[in-house]
Amino acid sequence: NAGVTQTPKFQVLKTGQSMTLQCAQDMNHEYMSWYRQDPGMGLRLIHYSVGAGITDQGEVPNGYNVSRSTTEDFPLRLLSAAPSQTSVYFCASRKTWGAASYEQYFGPGTRLTVT
Amino acid sequence: RKEVEQDPGPFNVPEGATVAFNCTYSNSASQSFFWYRQDCRKEPKLLMSVYSSGNEDGRFTAQLNRASQYISLLIRDSKLSDSATYLCVVTQVGGYNKLIFGAGTRLAVHP
Repeated sequence: NAGVTQTPKFQVLKTGQSMTLQCAQDMNHEYMSWYRQDPGMGLRLIHYSVGAGITDQGEVPNGYNVSRSTTEDFPLRLLSAAPSQTSVYFCASRKTWGAASYEQYFGPGTRLTVT
Repeated sequence: RKEVEQDPGPFNVPEGATVAFNCTYSNSASQSFFWYRQDCRKEPKLLMSVYSSGNEDGRFTAQLNRASQYISLLIRDSKLSDSATYLCVVTQVGGYNKLIFGAGTRLAVHP
């Protein structure tokens, strides 16, 4: 049971480049989400999904796309990278119901730098 | 005003000390509260839930004050391994109860 996995761990992009951050979970969780973490700002929700085929915007969705074709995978696409997207990105998953639904499991993070 | 506010710290304490952090939240309708722990350059992990009656887990005690809209975390007999950032988390009212994270309070325990 690997939990939540993310690739890559580190990435440097030039302004205007696009890329996809990969995220997968093997806990059969319905709810998956992407956050970015910047100093002094805390974790901010980018996009989330409550099941395959269902996605919605979070607090800071501009410049990012997501899709959820399977329960396990939830990739995050940067369409045209900007220096303001330099951040640490965390993918997370949890159940959507029951007492355990608030325990959110995070991946190890992707450190992205846009130059 | 941020939905969840925390003192960023750092709180520098010696081993064995007792330290407490507070966190305030703005939405009085919020229903569930948690403390997560994040080690340097690692992902956050659930430390404990916060119940209305207060709850204890070993050296850690969490309390909720709904009237004043704050939650607290008390750590007794601090260990070096407690050094981390502690994130206050509140559920957003409605729609799959999204988790709202505070920016965190950094704790540094020294020998």
